[in-house]
Parts: sequence; structure tokens; C-alpha cells
Amino acid sequence: GAVVSQHPSRVICKSGTSVKIECRSLDFQATTMFWYRQFPKQSLMLMATSNEGSKATYEQGVEKDKFLINHASLTLSTLTVTSAHPEDSSFYICSAPKAGGQETQYFGPGTRLLVL
Amino acid sequence: AQSVTQLGSHVSVSEGALVLLRCNYSSSVPPYLFWYVQYPNQGLQLLLKYTTGATLVKGINGFEAEFKKSETSFHLTKPSAHMSDAAEYFCAVKENTGFQKLVFGTGTRLLVSP
Repeated sequence: GAVVSQHPSRVICKSGTSVKIECRSLDFQATTMFWYRQFPKQSLMLMATSNEGSKATYEQGVEKDKFLINHASLTLSTLTVTSAHPEDSSFYICSAPKAGGQETQYFGPGTRLLVL
Repeated sequence: AQSVTQLGSHVSVSEGALVLLRCNYSSSVPPYLFWYVQYPNQGLQLLLKYTTGATLVKGINGFEAEFKKSETSFHLTKPSAHMSDAAEYFCAVKENTGFQKLVFGTGTRLLVSP
């Protein structure tokens, strides 16, 4: 199998602050990672595609200046929620496809963000 | 563009009964199809996938799904439900070309009663 981790698993912050979420592929390299957002009792919505060594590709309607994505290495992508507001409270999940098994994405355990 | 429809936001079964979760898709090219399970406050775990070859796919925990091109369906079944199967199930589709994004259905919550 393939393991993807996320840190932190849960974060509470004050409105106006920035929060960084890490996504790591632990036992494989990932040139591409995906960031999803999931509201309570809803499906996953793709926010952006993180590309190692180049700019992320954002889905329509996602503010790239608010959700900063950096793919610093072949095993790490970070999502920074800048100037967070209560409406940004959500469950953020990352995923990564494993080379040789490109059709399958492996998901992290998710990060619960609560903005007060 | 691909899309996925999951009929029924909630499905309730008794323990030991057949589980059937429906998924229909649309895709302009041959698709890759997936079923994922999500337990509360956790990420998604792959149950099974169809890429090519045999249309009846067996996955973990006794689940299986059959790709029916003529019906554009990929329904998930399990002969006998366990209490531990209670979770949210997502069907997803992906084009079979490169690292294209997954498109998810809205999910079906499976409730299992004793």
C-alpha cells in the first residue's frame, strides 16, 4: 500500500490568523498531490492540484491568494489558509497518486480546521 | 466532463442483509472507477477500483462492484452487512489518461442496525 499523512489532525485558530497544513507521502514519491475540502455531510470538493517544482493549479472559484499551496519536495505539499475566517472552517484532505499506480489516489487522514 | 451520481444519500440495512449502494457515471472516455469508504473524522480508504479487464471487481471487507458499460453503472454490493460497515461511501470516476482529477459522487451513508 501507500501511506499519506497530514499534520496537524486538528487545529483551532483565531479569525485573521494563518494556518499551515502539511501533507506527506511517507513511503513513495509524489510529483502531484491534491487538496480537497469537505463540509459536514457533504462530498469532497477538489480545491487544487499541487505540482512539485511548479505552481499549483486551482479549481474554479478557489482563491489562490487565500489558499497558498507549496509543493516543496517529492514527499511534501503544504496548504496555508491565510487570514482565516469562520467560513473557512472545514475538513481538509490531501491525496497523492503513487507512481506505477497512477490511477489510484491515496488519501491522508484529514485536518479539521476550526476558525473562531 | 465526468460526473457521478449516487442514488440515495442514506441506505439502511439490517445486520446480515445485502448491501447495495448505487453509482452511475458519465464520461466521454473509458473511465477508471473507484469506491472509497470514510469513517467519521477520517480520510478516505480505497475499497476497490475498476481500471481494465474483469468487470466484476472484488475489494476489501467483502465488498465487490460490477462495471456495466451499457448501464454506465458501478454499483457496490456486499452479501452480508456487518455493524462495522456503517460509514460514508463515495463513488468516484477518473479519466484513464494521466493524473487527471477524481470526481466524486455526493456520498451514501450506510446505516446498519442490529
